[in-house]
Amino acid sequence: ETGVTQSPTHLIKTRGQQVTLRCSSQSGHNTVSWYQQALGQGPQFIFQYYREEENGRGNFPPRFSGLQFPNYSSELNVNALELDDSALYLCASSLVGGRTDTQYFGPGTRLTVL
Amino acid sequence: QQQVKQSPQSLIVQKGGISIINCAYENTAFDYFPWYQQFPGKGPALLIAIRPDVSEKKEGRFTISFNKSAKQFSLHIMDSQPGDSATYFCAARVENYGQNFVFGPGTRLSVLP
Repeated sequence: ETGVTQSPTHLIKTRGQQVTLRCSSQSGHNTVSWYQQALGQGPQFIFQYYREEENGRGNFPPRFSGLQFPNYSSELNVNALELDDSALYLCASSLVGGRTDTQYFGPGTRLTVL
Repeated sequence: QQQVKQSPQSLIVQKGGISIINCAYENTAFDYFPWYQQFPGKGPALLIAIRPDVSEKKEGRFTISFNKSAKQFSLHIMDSQPGDSATYFCAARVENYGQNFVFGPGTRLSVLP
């Protein structure tokens, strides 16, 4: 087990709604990255949080936002859900400034938008 | 320039055979190249990784070969086993402050018993 946990496991929403996904990083890690993985594709980088601030963002619209808390856990918020937002959302934690570049992924949250 | 290309899309190998997956990139600012293994319903798990100053790295049955001049790298799985059946992703990290990884589209490997 990597130690990265995500909740909920599955979620069903309707178009236009808002959703919040949660991630607890591995103990000792200070950075959390979020990825969107559509069915049959590789993960796509959404954004990263380091020391409670956004530190890098992929090609995703502003309705994708996030937070990182003092304990390094994180939330991903998506507003005005669209059908194409249906995907597996992955959280990954790592230690920036440490001796390794390893990024550990959680099991993901499967979001279905109807 | 931020893309990582991966081939083949799918691969079928007999038990005991060698599985080879290839990736290519354009961005010379990439500085770290991991391979991830993903089983259905699970998040990707780091398998092995390499930096561009090394041409080969081996860990057990898994080997990464890296060709910096050609901007290509590959994963070799020796003595492939049915338990290796999974989707494999190559990735590359953008050389900046952070952990922004660009992933390839994945290769679905099936190892026949």
